[in-house]
Formats: sequence, structure tokens, C-alpha cells
Amino acid sequence: GENVEQHPSTLSVQEGDSAVIKCTYSDSASNYFPWYKQELGKRPQLIIDIRSNVGEKKDQRIAVTLNKTAKHFSLHITETQPEDSAVYFCAAGNSGYALNFGKGTSLLVTP
Amino acid sequence: SAVISQKPSRDICQRGTSLTIQCQVDSQVTMMFWYRQQPGQSLTLIATANQGSEATYESGFVIDKFPISRPNLTFSTLTVSNMSPEDSSIYLCSVGGDTQYFGPGTRLTVL
Repeated sequence: GENVEQHPSTLSVQEGDSAVIKCTYSDSASNYFPWYKQELGKRPQLIIDIRSNVGEKKDQRIAVTLNKTAKHFSLHITETQPEDSAVYFCAAGNSGYALNFGKGTSLLVTP
Repeated sequence: SAVISQKPSRDICQRGTSLTIQCQVDSQVTMMFWYRQQPGQSLTLIATANQGSEATYESGFVIDKFPISRPNLTFSTLTVSNMSPEDSSIYLCSVGGDTQYFGPGTRLTVL
């Protein structure tokens, strides 16, 4: 089955700096790669996703890149703000089907 | 995106008892999933709830412990049976389509 590795497990950045979280996956059949943000006590919220026919996708300060050959994808957050502090999960799977999640990255943005 | 609700939002139960968690969606969806999130951990898929047939369980999860119903395309239940303190966790339903969204979760504490 699919195995998703996520690094780093914790990340601390200063406000205004960039943050990068990286994930690798094992199943070359996976074609859908979403990222979720989970604040304490809340449900995971989809923040951006990418499909295997696209190499990069951007939404304001958030971008995701996908390298299908190397089987890795990354989340980039620019101009970080304290409200970006949360746990971020990457996932891999096939669109419409169950997802396999990475172990999560706890991001802390300090003012 | 679909609006997903879960009941109860939280519960405290005695070991040996069972709890049924309900998940309601405001539109018909083909795929519904149940995940478990243990404290400070990632999301682990319990099963895929199939409408009109038995649920499909992941390795480590069995129907006797986690029976699932899916009577129609907008509703599903997950029962946690014969509970022990190790079952203390957040249980989340999610719905799949082009993207996957999560319900608010049920926080279960077993004493």
C-alpha cells in the first residue's frame, strides 16, 4: 500500500520568512496530493491540492510542487504569519478514494 | 464543498460499552470514510463506508470492533464496540469526490 513520509516533524520560523514542508510517497499509481491544515481542536482543513498532471500550483502565499519521477511533493508558505501556526498534513492517494497521510508537521510562526 | 456534521461531538464512556457515531452530509456522496486520530498523531483510515454493501476495512481494524452502516448516500454510522481506554481518540468521517473534506470529529474518552 501507499506509504507517505513527511519532514520535518516540527518547524519554527520567524514571521515573514518562508516555510517548506516535504513529503515523499511510495505508490506510483497515486494521482492526488492534498495538504491539510489542522488547528488545535479543529478538523483538518484542505488548503491546497495538486494532481499528477500538474507540476506546480499556487494560491496566494501557498504553493505546492510535485515531482512524479522522484515521488515527492512540497508545500511552500511565503511571508508567514502567526495565524499560519498549526499542524500541516500531506496526503497521497487517488482522487475520490481514501487518502494516506503523513505524520504531520507542527509549524510555529513567531512574531 | 459539502457540509458534514457529526454526532456526538464528544463523549466520555465506560470501558466495555459501545458508542455509535453519526455522520450526516448535506448532499449525496458516493464515497464516505472513517478515520481515527489519536492524540498528537496523524489520521489513520479505519474503513471505507460503501452504500448498500459491507464496509471495506483497513489492516488492523475489524468489523466486530468497528461496525459501520451506510444506509444511503448522505449518512453513515461508526460504532466503537466493547471500548477500552486505548480507543480514546478523535473519530472523523470524511467524504470524497474530486476533493476530500472532513467532518468536525467526535472526541471519545474511555475511562
